[in-house]
Amino acid sequence: GIQVEQSPPDLILQEGANSTLRCNFSDSVNNLQWFHQNPWGQLINLFYIPSGTKQNGRLSATTVATERYSLLYISSSQTTDSGVYFCAVAGGTSYGKLTFGQGTILTVHP
Amino acid sequence: DAGVIQSPRHEVTEMGQEVTLRCKPISGHDYLFWYRQTMMRGLELLIYFNNNVPIDDSGMPEDRFSAKMPNASFSTLKIQPSEPRDSAVYFCASRPGGGETQYFGPGTRLLVL
Repeated sequence: GIQVEQSPPDLILQEGANSTLRCNFSDSVNNLQWFHQNPWGQLINLFYIPSGTKQNGRLSATTVATERYSLLYISSSQTTDSGVYFCAVAGGTSYGKLTFGQGTILTVHP
Repeated sequence: DAGVIQSPRHEVTEMGQEVTLRCKPISGHDYLFWYRQTMMRGLELLIYFNNNVPIDDSGMPEDRFSAKMPNASFSTLKIQPSEPRDSAVYFCASRPGGGETQYFGPGTRLLVL
């Protein structure tokens, strides 16, 4: 199956700083999603982005499918951005069968 | 919409007992997914359904686990008999047939003693 590797595993920021999270995957994908798991455990979908670039407020994401990586940018971070960010992918005929990376734990201090 | 609803939110049981987790997907969503999250293995897909039919159950760890979807608004994940290594957070998610985004429920935190 597809392997998903996220980096860095941990990230500590001061409020207002910018950050870039990376997701590498081992094979071509037709489905890539970024999720945020807040400190209470709730998983929220941030982006569906198998290719190209999208922006939503302070968050944006870029996927370069030919080079098998995706980046999640967080600008002007806030304490509410803390949590775990997951990249999840699927490929081939397994469009619905997402494989999750191990996540990046983000802590934003006031 | 109320979102994906899971019950119970917390379950503590003893080894050997039967555990049943419940999920109500978002109305109109054709796909339903069951995931398990542990520190060691992260988030894993156990099984998913399309229009109430199981499509892929290759992630179900063993025969002690079973899942059903008797209708479009209800699914269960059953563990019988439960073991301490089944302790985890179990998530249910759903998505519409023509969409891409999966919507997750709040999860059920299971502890098997």
